[in-house]
Amino acid sequence: SQQGEEDPQALSIQEGENATMNCSYKTSINNLQWYRQNSGRGLVHLILIRSNEREKHSGRLRVTLDTSKKSSSLLITASRAADTASYFCAPEGGSEKLVFGKGTKLTVNP
Amino acid sequence: DTAVSQTPKYLVTQMGNDKSIKCEQNLGHDTMYWYKQDSKKFLKIMFSYNNKELIINETVPNRFSPKSPDKAHLNLHINSLELGDSAVYFCASSQDSRGDGTDTQYFGPGTRLTVL
Repeated sequence: SQQGEEDPQALSIQEGENATMNCSYKTSINNLQWYRQNSGRGLVHLILIRSNEREKHSGRLRVTLDTSKKSSSLLITASRAADTASYFCAPEGGSEKLVFGKGTKLTVNP
Repeated sequence: DTAVSQTPKYLVTQMGNDKSIKCEQNLGHDTMYWYKQDSKKFLKIMFSYNNKELIINETVPNRFSPKSPDKAHLNLHINSLELGDSAVYFCASSQDSRGDGTDTQYFGPGTRLTVL
């Protein structure tokens, strides 16, 4: 099944700084989604970017997609302590379902 | 106004027992899913139901059986529990009338199952 691989596995920054996470995948996709998981909670959908889009914004989130490199990045600007969570990418193509990897664990220090 | 709810939140049980986890969504979605997140944090799909019909049945032991009494509910029954079944199980739903996973999935809070 299609599975995204997030990088880095862990990221620790100070409040106010920007956080960048990357995702790579292997086969062609229809869209790619980013999810957040707070400790002990379920996944929360953040943003979806379609294969014909290169960049998308939602509040403090900016997602880019490079289908030629089969990669995506998630940028969180002006981070807050509440952004502390694990972030997962989910590439989706054809009939394959979302399969999540290990995610990037982001820690934002006050 | 919880969108996707699961019960129980925690479940601790002995090997060999039979247990159920319940899931309900009030979003009016057509498709519901069960995921398993193991100790390595990989989240993998187990089952998908679209309008009460099984769409996806990944390679899981037949001790796991989903039951969908109606479109808003998808329960997971597990027979003869084993140590390796210990994990967090997530229910999700999406407004996906085609059942091909192209719509956003909304997840429940998870059920942490511990088999002793």
